[in-house]
Amino acid sequence: GAVVSQHPSWVICKSGTSVKIECRSLDFQATTMFWYRQFPKQSLMLMATSNEGSKATYEQGVEKDKFLINHASLTLSTLTVTSAHPEDSSFYICSARDLGLGEPQHFGDGTRLSIL
Amino acid sequence: SQQGEEDPQALSIQEGENATMNCSYKTSINNLQWYRQNSGRGLVHLILIRSNEREKHSGRLRVTLDTSKKSSSLLITASRAADTASYFCATVSGGFKTIFGAGTRLFVKA
Repeated sequence: GAVVSQHPSWVICKSGTSVKIECRSLDFQATTMFWYRQFPKQSLMLMATSNEGSKATYEQGVEKDKFLINHASLTLSTLTVTSAHPEDSSFYICSARDLGLGEPQHFGDGTRLSIL
Repeated sequence: SQQGEEDPQALSIQEGENATMNCSYKTSINNLQWYRQNSGRGLVHLILIRSNEREKHSGRLRVTLDTSKKSSSLLITASRAADTASYFCATVSGGFKTIFGAGTRLFVKA
C-alpha cells in the first residue's frame, strides 16, 4: 500500500529555533499534501494544503510566515516552523493523496515537536 | 475548521462486545471516511463510504451513512483489546479538503 514517510519522528529544541519537518510519499506521486496539527486528546486541525510547484493554501488563523511550506516535488513537502516557541509544541502530521487512486489520504506517522 | 462531531467522546467496553461510534457533519459531502489513530501515531484509513452509499462493510467494521441526517456510524463487532485507539470520521467536500471530527477514544478491556 501507499506509504508516507515523515521525518523526524520527534524533536526537542530551544525556543527561537526553526524546525523543518519532511513529508515524503515513498511509492506514489502526490500533487497535494496536507499538514495537520494535533493537540493532546484533540482532533486533527488542517493547517494548510501544499500543492506541488505552487504556494500553499493556509487555513484561517494559520500564520503563513510562521509555518513555511514548500512542495518542491511530487514526492516531498516540507513544513518549517520558524522561530519556534513553546506554544508551537504539538504533534504535526502530514498526509498525501495518490494521483492515481485519489482518495483516501495516506498519513505519515507524525512529528512530535517540543519547544523548551 | 472542524466539521464533524462525534459521540461518544470516549467509550469503554469489554473484549468481545460491539462498539458503536457516531459522527455528524454540517455541509454536503462527496464521501465520509473513518480513520483510526493509535496513541502518538499517524492515522490509518479504515473505510470510505461515498455519498450515494448507505452501508459498507469491511471485516469487523460496518459503516452507515445517512445523508438526510448528515450522520454516519461506525460499528466494530467482537471488539479486541487491540482495537483500543481513537477513531475519527472525516468528510471530504468539493473533492479537496478532508476535515476531521473530534474523535472517539475507544478502550477495550481484556
